[in-house]
Amino acid sequence: DIQMTQSPSSLSASIGDRVTITCRASQTISSYLNWYQQKPGKAPNLLIYAASTLQSGVPSRFSGSGSGTDFTLTISSLQPEDFATYYCQHSYPPTFGGGTKVEIK
Amino acid sequence: EVQLLESGGGLIQPGGSLRLSCAASGFTFSSYAMSWVRQAPGKGLECVSAITGSGGSTYYADSVKGRFTISRDNSKNTLYLQMNSLRAEDTAVYYCAKDGVQYSSTWSNWFDPWGQGTLVTVSS
Repeated sequence: DIQMTQSPSSLSASIGDRVTITCRASQTISSYLNWYQQKPGKAPNLLIYAASTLQSGVPSRFSGSGSGTDFTLTISSLQPEDFATYYCQHSYPPTFGGGTKVEIK
Repeated sequence: EVQLLESGGGLIQPGGSLRLSCAASGFTFSSYAMSWVRQAPGKGLECVSAITGSGGSTYYADSVKGRFTISRDNSKNTLYLQMNSLRAEDTAVYYCAKDGVQYSSTWSNWFDPWGQGTLVTVSS
């Protein structure tokens, strides 16, 4: 089975910081990689699909890149509403990374 | 507007059974694969089951294979998850989620949107 490993598991950052979260697959997965944001007590929300396509309505400060085994979610300038937990997900079979909690420094 | 409304969660004893439902509206239900994704308290996300739009193909995580059954009634725009032989480790919020690709031949591309979730607690 394909394993998805996110790093770091948590990070502290300040408003306006550039934040990068990494997701690594245990074998090549082409561009079948998606990113979600989850706030406490809420369902996850799709940010990026197919590695780099921004979901409609998602702010442009979010971007995704990568293919093969290594992927990155970048928040170009962290905003107060971005403090949340982020998950990567491989499509086939549906497998999530362990999550990255972004906290206020 | 797409809406997904889960129901059927609750407190159940180990070894018991429960059936979750997800009522869908706002899209052509039969055209989309659907999934159940769970989240144990304080933990990450796990897709436990998925089904294609026609219902002809299903996916189960190893952790629930042989115990859970996913199904759908396209005439009622409803997704189900029959959960048998429940264990303490099945305690979680269960979300239903719509696939992001219409007429997909597989069970999962990406999940969008998600329902609000229903809590299942397995405890004596």
